[in-house]
Amino acid sequence: QQPVQSPQAVILREGEDAVINCSSSKALYSVHWYRQKHGEAPVFLMILLKGGEQKGHDKISASFNEKKQQSSLYLTASQLSYSGTYFCGSVQGAQKLVFGQGTRLTINP
Amino acid sequence: DTAVSQTPKYLVTQMGNDKSIKCEQNLGHDTMYWYKQDSKKFLKIMFSYNNKELIINETVPNRFSPKSPDKAHLNLHINSLELGDSAVYFCASSQDLSAYNEQFFGPGTRLTVL
Repeated sequence: QQPVQSPQAVILREGEDAVINCSSSKALYSVHWYRQKHGEAPVFLMILLKGGEQKGHDKISASFNEKKQQSSLYLTASQLSYSGTYFCGSVQGAQKLVFGQGTRLTINP
Repeated sequence: DTAVSQTPKYLVTQMGNDKSIKCEQNLGHDTMYWYKQDSKKFLKIMFSYNNKELIINETVPNRFSPKSPDKAHLNLHINSLELGDSAVYFCASSQDLSAYNEQFFGPGTRLTVL
């Protein structure tokens, strides 16, 4: 089952904050977050394994709710380099990563 | 040092042709993957191999045949190419079979079928 991301696209000015959500109707084993810049490969950001977990990475952090059905990615004081498409991924069958449809983030100066 | 490399980067070909994409990783990982990313950016797994053994084989036409000569290489051969095969194909690798590991993606191969 593919996780659902929202919003599909976000346009911000440099310095503004963004939140990207990833949800599922069933509890997820874990959530992976990747960023893909235009014309490049997806790059791993972080993985959350436990309900209630929060994890940070510079000004990019994420949370996983207690029921493990929603994760949110937070981008604080966004920089131009944050532009790209963000994907969440959910593990299915412990061997397969299924990605959401992606959220395109555009940061303008 | 490139961790996951793919060749070619671009591939333009006619319908009906057969083509191959090669992938190599120098990370010492056991598991490798092929993903297809369509024009809407949807990233979907096609195959995975663990130590040369096929693990995941999604609902992919049998015109697509992966081959893993050793655990550092995973190639993708496509027969009788169709317009709908146009996409970016990414190879990836991870430490082992567990999907809880970080996956490292190659630069992608943009396939255009005319």
